[in-house]
Amino acid sequence: DAGVIQSPRHEVTEMGQEVTLRCKPISGHNSLFWYRQTMMRGLELLIYFNNNVPIDDSGMPEDRFSAKMPNASFSTLKIQPSEPRDSAVYFCASSLQAESSYEQYFGPGTRLTVT
Amino acid sequence: TQLLEQSPQFLSIQEGENLTVYCNSSSVFSSLQWYRQEPGEGPVLLVTVVTGGEVKKLKRLTFQFGDARKDSSLHITAAQPGDTGLYLCAGGVGAGKSTFGDGTTLTVKP
Repeated sequence: DAGVIQSPRHEVTEMGQEVTLRCKPISGHNSLFWYRQTMMRGLELLIYFNNNVPIDDSGMPEDRFSAKMPNASFSTLKIQPSEPRDSAVYFCASSLQAESSYEQYFGPGTRLTVT
Repeated sequence: TQLLEQSPQFLSIQEGENLTVYCNSSSVFSSLQWYRQEPGEGPVLLVTVVTGGEVKKLKRLTFQFGDARKDSSLHITAAQPGDTGLYLCAGGVGAGKSTFGDGTTLTVKP
């Protein structure tokens, strides 16, 4: 079975450029999460969707970050304009949300470097 | 804010040794997950504990949920180099959302 798929795996861009990260969740999962991981701050939740609807975006750093989930099988995280401090590994995770289930399945991540 | 504190932050041991890492909080969680993350990869779910006092075993790994459901431990017996990685605990905070600890980085030397 295919797990969570993320693309690209690596992205190097210059400050000011637009960056789009993509995620395909596990088929049948109804929740999708975007995280950012750095050495300094650990794993931070940016936003999460349930049934394609954004539920909590309180972790989105600022207006430069936006996320969409147009259908159950695709989501994007966009940074415009990008800045060097956005350099991090970005993970997408999906889960089958049930009353007491919090098990998440992570993709391999996108390593973003902004120069 | 429900926080999870993990200790130790770093652990370096020789192959064959036993170890225990901890995940503590002042909050009660309905469930708690443990993940292992290897360099260059995403976290991989190892186990979920739900009931206070619950013990789960996964080969050489033993997971325990505290009686009050505020803390958990992971014990590894006879550690192997393949156990090297970042161990993360996560607790459910409602509506499918989890809070993650900062992790324990384990290095097992051959």
